[in-house]
Amino acid sequence: GAVVSQHPSWVICKSGTSVKIECRSLDFQATTMFWYRQFPKQSLMLMATSNEGSKATYEQGVEKDKFLINHASLTLSTLTVTSAHPEDSSFYICSARSGGLGPQHFGDGTRLSIL
Amino acid sequence: EDQVTQSPEALRLQEGESSSLNCSYTVSGLRGLFWYRQDPGKGPEFLFTLYSAGEEKEKERLKATLTKKESFLHITAPKPEDSATYLCAVQAERNSGNTPLVFGKGTRLSVIA
Repeated sequence: GAVVSQHPSWVICKSGTSVKIECRSLDFQATTMFWYRQFPKQSLMLMATSNEGSKATYEQGVEKDKFLINHASLTLSTLTVTSAHPEDSSFYICSARSGGLGPQHFGDGTRLSIL
Repeated sequence: EDQVTQSPEALRLQEGESSSLNCSYTVSGLRGLFWYRQDPGKGPEFLFTLYSAGEEKEKERLKATLTKKESFLHITAPKPEDSATYLCAVQAERNSGNTPLVFGKGTRLSVIA
């Protein structure tokens, strides 16, 4: 149980392109979804928290106009990296939780490479 | 500010050589402490949740314990397939209720056959 699917797993695109990443909870209703960024050999850095039907809450230093988050249903959240540049290249991971307590369940991440 | 510190940063063990990973934390009211396993190029896989000091959880060769200041992940007679990065995270009590996990940097475990 508690499966989170993230798609795509790998993206290579040119600078200036916008990239959309999908995160789906397959067997539970995700009232809250979280988006993280991870650099090599570093821990997960929280980018934003989104509750279904509400605007996302962004962490300090994360540009909300750069990283657009939509959480329109209890099973789907999307992260769009707008006008991506090489410095946006990273490993992006989503996670989901049902309710306010308990573990977050993670997708397998998206490796984004901007040329 | 909530903080999680894991040690050692990296650990190399021979197969069968038991050891422990440490997770020290400071948080204004602990709601829960979580252990995850992360393989290269994958998202973290949930292992355990601990809610109160004195609590212990076990799964196969892994055992997690919790005190008021730290948690240990004990690995008994590890096998090469236990090689991974082990992440510790805490969830703090907040009036808002739904708070995200704060992660440590992890311990990279290598088990050599």
